[in-house]
Amino acid sequence: GENVEQHPSTLSVQEGDSAVIKCTYSDSASNYFPWYKQELGKRPQLIIDIRSNVGEKKDQRIAVTLNKTAKHFSLHITETQPEDSAVYFCAAKGTGNTPLVFGKGTRLSVIA
Amino acid sequence: DVKVTQSSRYLVKRTGEKVFLECVQDMDHENMFWYRQDPGLGLRLIYFSYDVKMKEKGDIPEGYSVSREKKERFSLILESASTNQTSMYLCASSPWGGSQPQHFGDGTRLSIL
Repeated sequence: GENVEQHPSTLSVQEGDSAVIKCTYSDSASNYFPWYKQELGKRPQLIIDIRSNVGEKKDQRIAVTLNKTAKHFSLHITETQPEDSAVYFCAAKGTGNTPLVFGKGTRLSVIA
Repeated sequence: DVKVTQSSRYLVKRTGEKVFLECVQDMDHENMFWYRQDPGLGLRLIYFSYDVKMKEKGDIPEGYSVSREKKERFSLILESASTNQTSMYLCASSPWGGSQPQHFGDGTRLSIL
């Protein structure tokens, strides 16, 4: 089955700097890659997703890139702000009606 | 907007009790999921269901069972609670098929004493 590895497990950046979180996946048939943000005490919420027919997607300060050949995808947050502090999860999903497989999460701290 | 509602935010039970965690979604989604979240271990899938009365084991089904009698409701059952089942439990739902995100509830923090 699918296996998703996520790095780093913790990340501290200065406010205004960029943050990058990387994930790799094992199943070449996977074709959907969402990212979730979980603030302390709250539910995981979808912040951006990408499908396998696209190499990059942007939404304001957030972008996701996908390299299908290397089987890795990354989340990029520019101009980080204290409210970006949270745990971020990547996930991958294969074809058909299968569940998402999640990485173990990255705890991002943005230092003011 | 999708709403996934879990019946309790906090729950305290005793070892050996039978525990029910309830989840309801309002978007007519075919799929529903139960995850367990522990620090450093991420989100681990316990069970999922893709239709009424249908269920599939996830990565860590031991000690748990599920029930889906109605499309909107998915219950997680701890048959005989143990202290190592103290955790945060998250329910999620999604439409049928590929390339669809899962929508999460607020979670139930369960403590087994």
